[in-house]
Amino acid sequence: DTEVTQTPKHLVMGMTNKKSLKCEQHMGHRAMYWYKQKAKKPPELMFVYSYEKLSINESVPSRFSPECPNSSLLNLHLHALQPEDSALYLCASSQSGVGSYEQYFGPGTRLTVT
Amino acid sequence: AQKITQTQPGMFVQEKEAVTLDCTYDTSDPSYGLFWYKQPSSGEMIFLIYQGSYDQQNATEGRYSLNFQKARKSANLVISASQLGDSAMYFCAMREMGTSGTYKYIFGTGTRLKVLA
Repeated sequence: DTEVTQTPKHLVMGMTNKKSLKCEQHMGHRAMYWYKQKAKKPPELMFVYSYEKLSINESVPSRFSPECPNSSLLNLHLHALQPEDSALYLCASSQSGVGSYEQYFGPGTRLTVT
Repeated sequence: AQKITQTQPGMFVQEKEAVTLDCTYDTSDPSYGLFWYKQPSSGEMIFLIYQGSYDQQNATEGRYSLNFQKARKSANLVISASQLGDSAMYFCAMREMGTSGTYKYIFGTGTRLKVLA
C-alpha cells in the first residue's frame, strides 16, 4: 500500500471556525509533512514530523496547529484562519534517515476561508 | 538564495516529440538527492524519478530520464514520446538536511508543460 489519504477533499470555513485536516499512511514511514500550496506556486513546507515529534516548523502562524497522534496519522488543526490561508494543503510521508527517499503525497485538501 | 531553479515557466511540445525541462540546484552538501514530481490539474503530486548525488549513471524510468550534470549542478528531466496526459506542472526538488537534523525537500517554482495534439 503506497497510498497517503487525506480528508476532507474540500473544506469551506469561516474565519471564526475550528476545523481539522487529517492525513493517514500505512507505509511505515516515520517522516510526515504538511505543505501549503497556492495556485501556480510550488508547495511550501509548513511542518515536518520525525518519529512522531515535531522537528521542523517553518515559522507557521499559531492559527495552524499540527498533531501527530501516532506513526500513521497526522492532523492539522485550524483556528481563526484568514482568507489568505485559502490554498491546497498537501500531506506527504517518506522514510526517514539517510537515503534516496521520495515523498509520497496525498491528494490534498482544498481549503477556502470565507 | 534560491536552491532549486527552474527557468522555464511554461513549455509546449508536440505529441510524440521529446521535451527537456531544466533544473539547476545549489548545495554545499556532498550527499543530496534530486527528484522530479508531476502535478496534474487535480492537484496530486506524483513522483517521477530520482537521482542521487553519488549515482554514476543517469536515472531512467520508462519515458522519463534525468540528464544529471553534477559539475554544472543541473538535473534536467527528459520526457520522450510526449503524450497528451503529460500536460501538467512539473517540479524539481532537492532533499537536504535541515538545521534540526531532519531532512526536508526544497521545490523549484515549476514548469507548466502543455502537450499539443
